[in-house]
Amino acid sequence: SAVISQKPSRDICQRGTSLTIQCQVDSQVTMMFWYRQQPGQSLTLIATANQGSEATYESGFVIDKFPISRPNLTFSTLTVSNMSPEDSSIYLCSVGSLAGAVQETQYFGPGTRLLVL
Amino acid sequence: EDQVTQSPEALRLQEGESSSLNCSYTVSGLRGLFWYRQDPGKGPEFLFTLYSAGEEKEKERLKATLTKKESFLHITAPKPEDSATYLCAVQAGFQKLVFGTGTRLLVSP
Repeated sequence: SAVISQKPSRDICQRGTSLTIQCQVDSQVTMMFWYRQQPGQSLTLIATANQGSEATYESGFVIDKFPISRPNLTFSTLTVSNMSPEDSSIYLCSVGSLAGAVQETQYFGPGTRLLVL
Repeated sequence: EDQVTQSPEALRLQEGESSSLNCSYTVSGLRGLFWYRQDPGKGPEFLFTLYSAGEEKEKERLKATLTKKESFLHITAPKPEDSATYLCAVQAGFQKLVFGTGTRLLVSP
């Protein structure tokens, strides 16, 4: 499986500011995803980061709030914009590859723990 | 709507006391069911993928099984290092994983 790193590992931010989270993979992957894990809750998919095109967002998540970049097959960023305390969460990057038309297992990074005051 | 329900929410076992975790799902067109382990402060670690009813997979003290409506994660003779949150997820659409809220397992020596 791929080795996935995220930066920063944790941060404390003031409301109204923005934070950009980086996800780096040690090999080229087809699919990259961003999830949110709020305290005591399950993982929720925010968006799929598409290389060379706009991200595909899930219902309830919008580009203005969570802009995503995917400049190549090993790197992606997620920005949490105009933060409020409700954005306090763990943000996780995951990667997968396509084997033909079937998506393979997703592997997760270590996560970024965000606290908004 | 695709849905995953895990039970129990929390489970406390003595070392060596075998048990099972349950994952019930409702999904249109199951493409795969996944089990992950998550330790505090870390990202989920992949354990198993199951694709069709009747399929079973094993890894050390863990065994995952799948039926048309649910999956079980059997833990045989657990050790304290098996303590973690176990997450179940289903892949319905082409890419999307839908996760349950997990079972927190604590194994006491």
